[in-house]
Amino acid sequence: DGGITQSPKYLFRKEGQNVTLSCEQNLNHDAMYWYRQDPGQGLRLIYYSQIVNDFQKGDIAEGYSVSREKKESFPLTVTSAQKNPTAFYLCASSSLGSNQPQHFGDGTRLSIL
Amino acid sequence: DAKTTQPPSMDCAEGRAANLPCNHSTISGNEYVYWYRQIHSQGPQYIIHGLKNNETNEMASLIITEDRKSSTLILPHATLRDTAVYYCIVSNQAGTALIFGKGTTLSVSS
Repeated sequence: DGGITQSPKYLFRKEGQNVTLSCEQNLNHDAMYWYRQDPGQGLRLIYYSQIVNDFQKGDIAEGYSVSREKKESFPLTVTSAQKNPTAFYLCASSSLGSNQPQHFGDGTRLSIL
Repeated sequence: DAKTTQPPSMDCAEGRAANLPCNHSTISGNEYVYWYRQIHSQGPQYIIHGLKNNETNEMASLIITEDRKSSTLILPHATLRDTAVYYCIVSNQAGTALIFGKGTTLSVSS
């Protein structure tokens, strides 16, 4: 079945440590996105990519980094510069175009030890 | 980017139609209205989207007013599994990001 796979489902980070969240899709989508969700809040865009080896900052990119070396993969690194990383992280993908719905993975919940 | 306004919560009896309203009075002519829902601790699930005309799929119907300033998502026969947070979203100008608000928490009870 086609879909978006995020791993791990739960992740714990120590202070000062970088961690990388995985996102893989087999939907042949060109565009991929990372969102952050805090309790009781909507989603906020961190980064997005429309093509391999290119990506753009979203509304809250500070303290995060991404790469897009393959069409299928869009990993997100939460760096030590992100002072409040505890959140639910969601990856999405879509075909290009303004009327293409985004499809989401099941998320990674990151917590600080 | 156009903003949306939704009621924070709604209740619906199982088997009845659930009608979820959304206001988007600043929507521009080329922006689509999307509906997603999110069950606790899962990723949002795409439901339906539309531009001007009413739309229907296997999950729901979307009714958009003629002036496009508001819309209604209709779940024709709500079940307990439809209990979730429902988000009404207007696509941004570049069509690259979805702007999520706090949505409507729909509670379906037996």
